[in-house]
Amino acid sequence: EPEVTQTPSHQVTQMGQEVILRCVPISNHLYFYWYRQILGQKVEFLVSFYNNEISEKSEIFDDQFSVERPDGSNFTLKIRSTKLEDSAMYFCASRTDRIRTEAFFGQGTRLTVV
Amino acid sequence: DQQVKQNSPSLSVQEGRISILNCDYTNSMFDYFLWYKKYPAEGPTFLISISSIKDKNEDGRFTVFLNKSAKHLSLHIVPSQPGDSAVYFCAASANTGNQFYFGTGTSLTVIP
Repeated sequence: EPEVTQTPSHQVTQMGQEVILRCVPISNHLYFYWYRQILGQKVEFLVSFYNNEISEKSEIFDDQFSVERPDGSNFTLKIRSTKLEDSAMYFCASRTDRIRTEAFFGQGTRLTVV
Repeated sequence: DQQVKQNSPSLSVQEGRISILNCDYTNSMFDYFLWYKKYPAEGPTFLISISSIKDKNEDGRFTVFLNKSAKHLSLHIVPSQPGDSAVYFCAASANTGNQFYFGTGTSLTVIP
């Protein structure tokens, strides 16, 4: 069964460093997402991406964040200068269509900023 | 702004009995609702969905009920099994946007 894959599974970084989280969405999906879950809190939307551009983003997704689909298969989330409060599980998701379809999530990357 | 709410953080049910998980929403533009199951340190796994044109959708042991007038949906699991023990998230989306709005989750424990 097709699945969304994320690497790495765990990333530890020092505050102020840049990190890139990687995702390979399901191949025939057109809409891509990043969500995050801070420990003990709800799953929060960060950004959606379609047709090589951001289609929607939340207030969390500020100038420190960027997304890219560099080669037609990978979908990356970059955090330029990490803060302690960026520590969370980051989930990539993809879906075939924008409306009335489920999103499939990856296993997540646990980002720890020290 | 908490547009999707799950007011019960946890629920314990005996194996074989029915589990009922509840979810409320505030945005009348939501027209598609989903339930996801999540184990610790894993991503959410899609369980079942329902469109606003329906009031019930069933898939095996899982049934989702939607009450649009009350802005309420529920997930019924019958019979509950120990492997169902996980955190269940309700999510909603509107056809005017892209994202899913998630509730805070309900941790279900099925006791053997």
